[in-house]
Amino acid sequence: DQQVKQNSPSLSVQEGRISILNCDYTNSMFDYFLWYKKYPAEGPTFLISISSIKDKNEDGRFTVFLNKSAKHLSLHIVPSQPGDSAVYFCAAVSVRGSQGNLIFGKGTKLSVKP
Amino acid sequence: SAVISQKPSRDICQRGTSLTIQCQVDSQVTMMFWYRQQPGQSLTLIATANQGSEATYESGFVIDKFPISRPNLTFSTLTVSNMSPEDSSIYLCSVRSSYEQYFGPGTRLTVT
Repeated sequence: DQQVKQNSPSLSVQEGRISILNCDYTNSMFDYFLWYKKYPAEGPTFLISISSIKDKNEDGRFTVFLNKSAKHLSLHIVPSQPGDSAVYFCAAVSVRGSQGNLIFGKGTKLSVKP
Repeated sequence: SAVISQKPSRDICQRGTSLTIQCQVDSQVTMMFWYRQQPGQSLTLIATANQGSEATYESGFVIDKFPISRPNLTFSTLTVSNMSPEDSSIYLCSVRSSYEQYFGPGTRLTVT
């Protein structure tokens, strides 16, 4: 049973437009969420994170939104650039008490077209 | 963030053989993790390796198949034993810093 779901395996966006990547989770114990970017033949690179006490975190072109009631988070990239083309993984963890392990979604492949 | 290196970056191995993957971190870390990413799948945790204690394996992974060493706070190895084609995957080393987790470049293993 998948606790973290990324229902869109792929997304194609025009350069300069907004990319929105979505992620849903089922475990209400998750209280910290992370996004990773992965290029082929490289390991995942940490991108941005958000704690459950917030509903938004912004870092340059990247913004993550968290809707706890819907158990949904999204990553917005604006403006999108061809170099953003990669697979994006959503991950969740419960940090209350002893730290749990990251649970990953299956990823969304983003293609940004020039 | 931590800088993590892995060796080898890729290998092609024959069925029934074993491969040891090395992971080196540029700083001392308590917890190191080993993940597997099979084609088209998410990252799956194999085990957590703490220095000075036995590794903790996740459901579906056993020590006989994936023995792990953690001799010090900057190094770990994962061995994939008695390989079969189903072990073809990317194997990733990872460390945690505060709440963020960082990954090595991965080892792409193909078993023929």
